[in-house]
Amino acid sequence: SQTIHQWPATLVQPVGSPLSLECTVEGTSNPNLYWYRQAAGRGLQLLFYSVGIGQISSEVPQNLSASRPQDRQFILSSKKLLLSDSGFYLCAWSVKDAHTGELFFGEGSRLTVL
Amino acid sequence: GQNIDQPTEMTATEGAIVQINCTYQTSGFNGLFWYQQHAGEAPTFLSYNVLDGLEEKGRFSSFLSRSKGYSYLLLKELQMKDSASYLCAVADSNYQLIWGAGTKLIIKP
Repeated sequence: SQTIHQWPATLVQPVGSPLSLECTVEGTSNPNLYWYRQAAGRGLQLLFYSVGIGQISSEVPQNLSASRPQDRQFILSSKKLLLSDSGFYLCAWSVKDAHTGELFFGEGSRLTVL
Repeated sequence: GQNIDQPTEMTATEGAIVQINCTYQTSGFNGLFWYQQHAGEAPTFLSYNVLDGLEEKGRFSSFLSRSKGYSYLLLKELQMKDSASYLCAVADSNYQLIWGAGTKLIIKP
């Protein structure tokens, strides 16, 4: 069966510090991968998605970046965090060319920037 | 622009029935999803509708009217564990999901 894990689950970072969130998928190959951010009272905001190794599409201009060094690994990074980067970050995957496009989410990472 | 609207919060009684509505305006339509999200957790898939009509899955049912840009999620025989946020999302012409802000459902005994 397929599983998805992301870490760390929670972190508190000072403004201006770097960030690295990691996500790995097991039990499937060549998935589509996504990074979302969820702010309180707002819908899920798509940050990045990837259809393959080294292929990253950015949906929102910001100080975040993403990388996919391996087929089932997706990393979200920042060189200098802003207060506005606080939120709940979710990694997700979907089957490529799936009829429904159903997303499977990781456990989430809650980031607080102080 | 693209827009998904759903009520911010609803309250219902244990054992009762509740209907959560979702209206959408998107560039294209390739299906509508409902997800459940408990506080502090990741969303989990509930249902998918791409054709008009009602899809029933146990205590949960989802309805779609494409001509009206409207869907609802119907929860029967409510249990305390159903207290959660319910997210409506639409796949647009590029199969990208557009998400509503979610409806927080509070179940009272």
